[in-house]
Amino acid sequence: AQTVTQSQPEMSVQEAETVTLSCTYDTSESDYYLFWYKQPPSRQMILVIRQEAYKQQNATENRFSVNFQKAAKSFSLKISDSQLGDAAMYFCAYVQGGSEKLVFGKGTKLTVNP
Amino acid sequence: KAGVTQTPRYLIKTRGQQVTLSCSPISGHRSVSWYQQTPGQGLQFLFEYFSETQRNKGNFPGRFSGRQFSNSRSEMNVSTLELGDSALYLCASSQNPINYGYTFGSGTRLTVV
Repeated sequence: AQTVTQSQPEMSVQEAETVTLSCTYDTSESDYYLFWYKQPPSRQMILVIRQEAYKQQNATENRFSVNFQKAAKSFSLKISDSQLGDAAMYFCAYVQGGSEKLVFGKGTKLTVNP
Repeated sequence: KAGVTQTPRYLIKTRGQQVTLSCSPISGHRSVSWYQQTPGQGLQFLFEYFSETQRNKGNFPGRFSGRQFSNSRSEMNVSTLELGDSALYLCASSQNPINYGYTFGSGTRLTVV
């Protein structure tokens, strides 16, 4: 069974600084997709960024970028120029190609200090 | 464009009762999935519906069931509630989850007393 591991239960960063959240996953499949979701106190899960496994280029969305290391099965999220609104729980998620089932990590709570 | 709407936002039920949660997906989205979120187990997949058919089911007891209507709205039902069913239940919809990722609702917070 596929698993997703986020080894940092909590992280903190100063406003305007950069922070990296770690995620590793375990799968024997070659066709899969990876996501980072943000869950603020409002509870709604918000898609931050996604990565197709077949693409070697790392995905980027404004201040958010990933470091996708397929051989190492690592998918870290880098947040640049951190803002107070970035404070939330961040979840790494995996979905196998052809499946609709997202497998989530336990999450990392990010605190942004002014 | 309206987002994914879940009702009710909060619910308190007594052990042994049953409960029905509702989810209205984004217009045009035909896939609806349900997840249970608890502090101990994290986010766990319950089931996924597409065009009124259950395509995938997670590892939950038969007390958990769902359905999807012709307008893509979905309901999930939990019968004979247990204290351990207290959780945030999240619904997500998508046209194509693999390419675009799911859009989630704000969830229903269920408390079983």
